[in-house]
Amino acid sequence: GENVEQHPSTLSVQEGDSAVIKCTYSDSASNYFPWYKQELGKGPQLIIDIRSNVGEKKDQRIAVTLNKTAKHFSLHITETQPEDSAVYFCAASRAVTSYDKVIFGPGTSLSVIP
Amino acid sequence: GAGVSQSPRYKVTKRGQDVTLRCDPISSHATLYWYQQALGQGPEFLTYFNYEAQPDKSGLPSDRFSAERPEGSISTLTIQRTEQRDSAMYRCASSLTANTGELFFGEGSRLTVL
Repeated sequence: GENVEQHPSTLSVQEGDSAVIKCTYSDSASNYFPWYKQELGKGPQLIIDIRSNVGEKKDQRIAVTLNKTAKHFSLHITETQPEDSAVYFCAASRAVTSYDKVIFGPGTSLSVIP
Repeated sequence: GAGVSQSPRYKVTKRGQDVTLRCDPISSHATLYWYQQALGQGPEFLTYFNYEAQPDKSGLPSDRFSAERPEGSISTLTIQRTEQRDSAMYRCASSLTANTGELFFGEGSRLTVL
């Protein structure tokens, strides 16, 4: 079945440095790739997403890149701040073209050290 | 409502008992998802509804799990004859439609089976 893998599982960076989280997916028909941030005690919240007709998308300090040939996508956070500390989940689905479930990766726990 | 509401927030039950969890999605949202999230893991897909239809229940782990959304709004997830391995956070999410992307998650129902 569909599978999304995510690395690293934990990441610790100094405030101001960049953080990169990488994901791979198995379903070649996937065309929608969201990233969710989950703070302690809360539900996941969408922070950015990318569709398969785009290779890169940026929103302030956050950027996502997609390589459909290699079936991998990445989240880049620049100038990290303590409030970026959270668990980040990548996900994949076929949602752009059909009704479909969203499959999540196992998560990356990011710690930003002041 | 303003957000996705789940109840109860916490449920402790004895092995063998039945439990029902409730989700009240954002009122304008057609699509509703149930996920199971173990501690330190990503959300695992259980099932989803498009209004009252249930197109995909492939993630339900056994026939002890069932979900309903009879009027296309509030949904319930029922686990019969609970087992200790059912202990997890159960998260409900809704989206405007199944192919508009963003999932809005509730705060979850934490189930503990003793």
